[in-house]
Amino acid sequence: QVQLVQSGAEVKKPGASVKVSCKASGYTFTGYYMHWVRQAPGQGLEWMGWINPNSGGTNYAQKFQGRVTMTRDTSISTAYMELSRLRSDDTAVYYCARPYCSGGSCYVQLDPWGQGTLVTVSS
Amino acid sequence: EIVLTQSPGTLSLSPGERATLSCRASQSVSSSYLAWYQQKPGQAPRLLIYGASSRATGIPDRFSGSGSGTDFTLTISRLEPEDFAVYYCQQYGSSPRLFTFGPGTKVDIK
Repeated sequence: QVQLVQSGAEVKKPGASVKVSCKASGYTFTGYYMHWVRQAPGQGLEWMGWINPNSGGTNYAQKFQGRVTMTRDTSISTAYMELSRLRSDDTAVYYCARPYCSGGSCYVQLDPWGQGTLVTVSS
Repeated sequence: EIVLTQSPGTLSLSPGERATLSCRASQSVSSSYLAWYQQKPGQAPRLLIYGASSRATGIPDRFSGSGSGTDFTLTISRLEPEDFAVYYCQQYGSSPRLFTFGPGTKVDIK
């Protein structure tokens, strides 16, 4: 079945960078965009952007432009999200998620999701 | 950029009751691009409804979605104990191409 497995929790200092990975299995990795969504503690969901694993093309939310880089390694079916110049308000759980497919059709909505990666930014 | 507003912020109900959750958009949203997600503590979100009214695979039929334009509704016909969670609506805009989530509605046990 389709599965997304993310890397483990990270603790970073302000100003540092973090790179979170998302390993896909159960489907053709290059056939579907990969999205990244984050959730600060006790807060709602915030979409960060997507990567097209086939072309490497990306689309970032304006809020993260200049600080986020999404990449992929097709040889190991893994997507990456790197966030630089970390601040304390970047403390959040970061999720990867794939577009939902059913009955041979795919949609823009997201499912499944990875299990999440907690990134803590603290001095 | 489209802004989604959800109401109420918290809904306190008892098992067996009907839950009605609202999602309002700041401008018209294509029904094809409107979704509802459920999130339980410590878990990733789960897609419930896509295309405003279609249930995702494995979602019980007590969950239903409706609406169009700027007003959308998620209805849970009879709450089961496992339905107490936070629910988010989400839309995709094609210009600019971006996803937006609402702030969420928490359904808790009365």
